[in-house]
Amino acid sequence: NAGVTQTPKFQVLKTGQSMTLQCAQDMNHEYMSWYRQDPGMGLRLIHYSVGAGITDQGEVPNGYNVSRSTTEDFPLRLLSAAPSQTSVYFCASSYRRNTIYFGEGSWLTVV
Amino acid sequence: AQSVTQLDSQVPVFEEAPVELRCNYSSSVSVYLFWYVQYPNQGLQLLLKYLSGSTLVKGINGFEAEFNKSQTSFHLRKPSVHISDTAEYFCAVSETAGSARQLTFGSGTQLTVLP
Repeated sequence: NAGVTQTPKFQVLKTGQSMTLQCAQDMNHEYMSWYRQDPGMGLRLIHYSVGAGITDQGEVPNGYNVSRSTTEDFPLRLLSAAPSQTSVYFCASSYRRNTIYFGEGSWLTVV
Repeated sequence: AQSVTQLDSQVPVFEEAPVELRCNYSSSVSVYLFWYVQYPNQGLQLLLKYLSGSTLVKGINGFEAEFNKSQTSFHLRKPSVHISDTAEYFCAVSETAGSARQLTFGSGTQLTVLP
């Protein structure tokens, strides 16, 4: 998935810790989003942004914050990690409608 | 609100046999439809998409899907599968109207190709 870069790929956190998942794209895409993937539930939208300075909530926003200060970057912040946030996180971006590119994913474990 | 149902969570099939992965959706507005594939520990790769026009859509790796508006379905098919097709497959929809491009995903179908 050239163009959408997520870091870190793997992370273990203790309950209550905070961290930021980074997402960057170099395709000048206006639209970016974060999904989480849990077994048997597919991918669910956490937050999205339609451009720099504009963000909105998706289906499962609780416990997560986002900001979009530049077109390229869309970090996802966990303020106080909980075991329920153990998941695989995917960042995505698009320019034209419905040509959506996904990053490689970030595997997060909260113990 | 839109939703996606993938009726089969697991589909085992022998190599070189045909396969169909089922997807039904519900929405009060017009939608775009997608199939993604996810190999173990990797991200999602777009297999094919239906935006408009011909209801039979051909994608990568020999897959195709047919959009059936009356049955609100978008089933994925391949006439002869290979071991390398073993992966999880996700059906997804997005609304055609509005500026947002959120996808609503189904719960996924694990395709296992047996030798």
